[in-house]
Amino acid sequence: GAGVSQSPSNKVTEKGKDVELRCDPISGHTALYWYRQSLGQGLEFLIYFQGNSAPDKSGLPSDRFSAERTGGSVSTLTIQRTQQEDSAVYLCASSLYPPGLAGGYNEQFFGPGTRLTVL
Amino acid sequence: DAKTTQPTSMDCAEGRAANLPCNHSTISGNEYVYWYRQIHSQGPQYIIHGLKNNETNEMASLIITEDRKSSTLILPHATLRDTAVYYCIVRRDSGGGADGLTFGKGTHLIIQP
Repeated sequence: GAGVSQSPSNKVTEKGKDVELRCDPISGHTALYWYRQSLGQGLEFLIYFQGNSAPDKSGLPSDRFSAERTGGSVSTLTIQRTQQEDSAVYLCASSLYPPGLAGGYNEQFFGPGTRLTVL
Repeated sequence: DAKTTQPTSMDCAEGRAANLPCNHSTISGNEYVYWYRQIHSQGPQYIIHGLKNNETNEMASLIITEDRKSSTLILPHATLRDTAVYYCIVRRDSGGGADGLTFGKGTHLIIQP
């Protein structure tokens, strides 16, 4: 596939359950980003990976949120003990270059998102 | 990163040029202006970016004022498929740092048939 893919496209879960969201970035892209978009709101940056490491996790909204990236490719965002306020569309993006290289040029390619609904 | 101000919504007739303004009066010298758009139920899509000079690509043109405090995204011949929320973002060259994009509410552009 040519683009960023995410799965599942929709997830409905009960409050208190754990969920895992998956992102497959574009092959060869070194940087991977997770964002959250609540209904009618702008995009909220969550976390960024350069390779397998996440230099900055401060954007994660609580310690119930965690993310990992293995093999410099696929990433998983895990939300433990989900709450209703976690309901949102979770978007993943990847870019060929990390921030700061190529003169600041850092086009991010977004996936279609996972719509999470916590009942 | 500098804050941006955009109108909440705009209408444009199909086939006409759509001009979307953005104010970024606190922009600093190493900050770039990026534009993304988000069509309903899709992820955001990169459109164009610039630093000082005006830029043009196959999608749009970006006009940045000389003082860099504002910019205008121009879609030269708008089509119904251009109906989307357009986000103007000012973002520094982070030098290898970890910051992602921060989107505000953007401008909801509605192309009228």
